[in-house]
Amino acid sequence: EAQVTQNPRYLITVTGKKLTVTCSQNMNHEYMSWYRQDPGLGLRQIYYSMNVEVTDKGDVPEGYKVSRKEKRNFPLILESPSPNQTSLYFCASSSRIRGRETQYFGPGTRLLVL
Amino acid sequence: AQKITQTQPGMFVQEKEAVTLDCTYDTSDPSYGLFWYKQPSSGEMIFLIYQGSYDQQNATEGRYSLNFQKARKSANLVISASQLGDSAMYFCAMRGATDSWGKLQFGAGTQVVVTP
Repeated sequence: EAQVTQNPRYLITVTGKKLTVTCSQNMNHEYMSWYRQDPGLGLRQIYYSMNVEVTDKGDVPEGYKVSRKEKRNFPLILESPSPNQTSLYFCASSSRIRGRETQYFGPGTRLLVL
Repeated sequence: AQKITQTQPGMFVQEKEAVTLDCTYDTSDPSYGLFWYKQPSSGEMIFLIYQGSYDQQNATEGRYSLNFQKARKSANLVISASQLGDSAMYFCAMRGATDSWGKLQFGAGTQVVVTP
């Protein structure tokens, strides 16, 4: 089954404690991306990756790091989380075949930073 | 700079009726992609449909179709024969080539409530 998995699904942490949200896809997609969703601010892209070892900033990259060492995984790293990073996070991957694009989203990670 | 706008914050639609969700965009890129997503109250994000700027035909996926009017810079989503399960938040998004094909920007969303 084609899927994007994220872990953990829910996380409560404290300010400054480093955390990693994992994202993995089983579809051999080249493109992967992270988004955060906040009430009143909608969905915003954090980082994206066009392929292994190729990553770039989205609209709100501050306070986040990513890596793409292998095609299937695209972890999101918060080195020193702050309360303003409390949000709902989505990972996604997409395929592009003959000009048609299809996207798959992970189930989301709800993060609360105290 | 790219911009994407959804002017309808919310709407009610009767079951079995068609509904059109508006989306307008602004870009100077000749090549771009337009997307629609559904987010039910359970919170997951579901990709619905994609339209490339060079596509000659409007995209369709089952009951979803994208009414792409390039000159007007609009990419409205049409849901035919609404069902109760279509109640959700709907987002329009655009990807252009100014910075990179990878950047994606979202509209504010439209809340749809389907009534029996």
